[in-house]
Amino acid sequence: DAGVTQSPTHLIKTRGQQVTLRCSPKSGHDTVSWYQQALGQGPQFIFQYYEEEERQRGNFPDRFSGHQFPNYSSELNVNALLLGDSALYLCASSLLVVLGGGAGETQYFGPGTRLLVL
Amino acid sequence: DAKTTQPNSMESNEEEPVHLPCNHSTISGTDYIHWYRQLPSQGPEYVIHGLTSNVNNRMASLAIAEDRKSSTLILHRATLRDAAVYYCIYGNNDMRFGAGTRLTVKP
Repeated sequence: DAGVTQSPTHLIKTRGQQVTLRCSPKSGHDTVSWYQQALGQGPQFIFQYYEEEERQRGNFPDRFSGHQFPNYSSELNVNALLLGDSALYLCASSLLVVLGGGAGETQYFGPGTRLLVL
Repeated sequence: DAKTTQPNSMESNEEEPVHLPCNHSTISGTDYIHWYRQLPSQGPEYVIHGLTSNVNNRMASLAIAEDRKSSTLILHRATLRDAAVYYCIYGNNDMRFGAGTRLTVKP
């Protein structure tokens, strides 16, 4: 059973360019979340997709957009890249479970895509 | 903004127990508490989660305070492979990670 996979593993772009990162969730999972992790910091939540819709979004500008496909895989797009976008981008998948008023789903993370913007 | 408070770093000797604390005073009654750890050059790895009762699995134990405003991750016998950054988080759709606790295990 393959876990969460991400591609590419590494990427170098220049300022102003656009980038697309890809994620395939763990088998049986229907929800994909994206995180940005700067060096030395914890992951920061970007957004989450479920049923091909953005379900929740963190404090990231509209330059960050995403998509989820019918097979549950997902893409993260970043437009007009800035130097500060250099980071490790993590994808996590889960199975949406709502228990009472909260959710107890466990997220499984991929190895990440390391993006360097020059 | 992280919703949890953890010590920046902790040290342990190999084969000894480790207790990693976490404060989450604003947690709601239905939020699960999750612990993840991140080894160097890897994505975060699920460790354990719980709601109200203490939980045990093959990796660790989770002790949750009666008022749920704090919890403790317990590694019963630390090994060198347990050296990682440990994150305590809670939430539904937006899992907010803080800086975590960097655990160093000394041989």
